[in-house]
Parts: sequence; C-alpha cells; structure tokens
Amino acid sequence: KAGVTQTPRYLIKTRGQQVTLSCSPISGHRSVSWYQQTPGQGLQFLFEYFSETQRNKGNFPGRFSGRQFSNSRSEMNVSTLELGDSALYLCASSPLGSMNTEAFFGQGTRLTVV
Amino acid sequence: EDQVTQSPEALRLQEGESSSLNCSYTVSGLRGLFWYRQDPGKGPEFLFTLYSAGEEKEKERLKATLTKKESFLHITAPKPEDSATYLCAAYSGNTGKLIFGQGTTLQVKP
Repeated sequence: KAGVTQTPRYLIKTRGQQVTLSCSPISGHRSVSWYQQTPGQGLQFLFEYFSETQRNKGNFPGRFSGRQFSNSRSEMNVSTLELGDSALYLCASSPLGSMNTEAFFGQGTRLTVV
Repeated sequence: EDQVTQSPEALRLQEGESSSLNCSYTVSGLRGLFWYRQDPGKGPEFLFTLYSAGEEKEKERLKATLTKKESFLHITAPKPEDSATYLCAAYSGNTGKLIFGQGTTLQVKP
C-alpha cells in the first residue's frame, strides 16, 4: 500500500514569489491535513480538507490556501512568500479525519525562501 | 487556550537505561492523544492513539499511558535505533484541531 506522497521534496523560492505544494494521500483516505514545521514553533496546523471541502483552519494568514480535488489529492499554495515561511511542510492523510484514527504523514516538502 | 507541552526537550540515555517522556495537555474536549516518532528529514511516524484516562498501549520497547492531564511514553531498555524525536499531539473535539507538542529528542548511546 503506497504511503502519502508529497512533491516536490525540496524547493527554493525568492521573497514575493508564490509556491504550490502537492500531496497525494493514501488510497481510500478522504481527509488531508497540512502542517508547517519549524524549529522554533514545532508542528502547527494549517488546514484540513475532507471530500473537497475545507473542514478546519489554523491560525495562518490568508496567504496560505489550499484545495482538494475529487481524487482526494490536495494542493497548498503560499502567495507573496516571506523569509519566515521557510519550513518543512507536511501533509497527513486519514480515512475520516484526525478525530477518528491516526494520521499518516508524508516525507514533507522543505521550502527555503531566500 | 488548547496547549500541549512535552518534557524534557532532550534526553540522553545509555543503551538499556529505561526512562519516560512526559506530555501534559490542556485541550478542550479531548478526543484522542497521539504519539509519533520523527526521524531527521522525515515525516512523523504514527506510534499510538489513546482515547481515555487509564488506557495503555504497548509496542516493542514502548508503552504509552494516559491520565486526565498527561500522557507518558515509557521506553524500556532502549537501543540506539530508538533515537529520534518523539511527538505527542492532542485532538480537540471542540475545535477539530490536532495540537502538537514541541517534541522530545531522544539520543540513545551504545
């Protein structure tokens, strides 16, 4: 059974640019959550999508957005990049959502903003 | 405000030296307490889910327990391959969010 796949693994962008990250969940999983991980703040919840609808949102500015497609694949977009957006972005999938069972994480996308 | 705090931040053990990691939480409407292991450069790997006070789960050298205010991850006779960062997370049924602690970085020396 294939795990959660995130692409790309590494990304370098310049301040002011925008970026799109992709996440393919485990087959059959309908929930995809996104997290930002930094050494100072740890893992912080960005948002969760379930059946193409945003079900929950963390405390991040509107520059961070996402969407989910009918095949459950999800994308996260960050516009007008800032240096502080440099982080490991992780996505996790679960069958129904974090409340019911464990979430399986991908390897992450390491974003560096210069 | 919902919060999860892990201690210690870092722990160094000799191989075979048992110890415990602590996860204290204040979460509205706790619906699950999760433990993950994260190796450098990788995503977190699921270990356990605990749902109610008094519950215990075991896997090899690891045992997780839960009370109404905290969870412990007990490591019995650790080996160098147990070296990793251990993350705990609490799911709030009221907010629908999974809140992570900062993690405990464990180093086991041979």
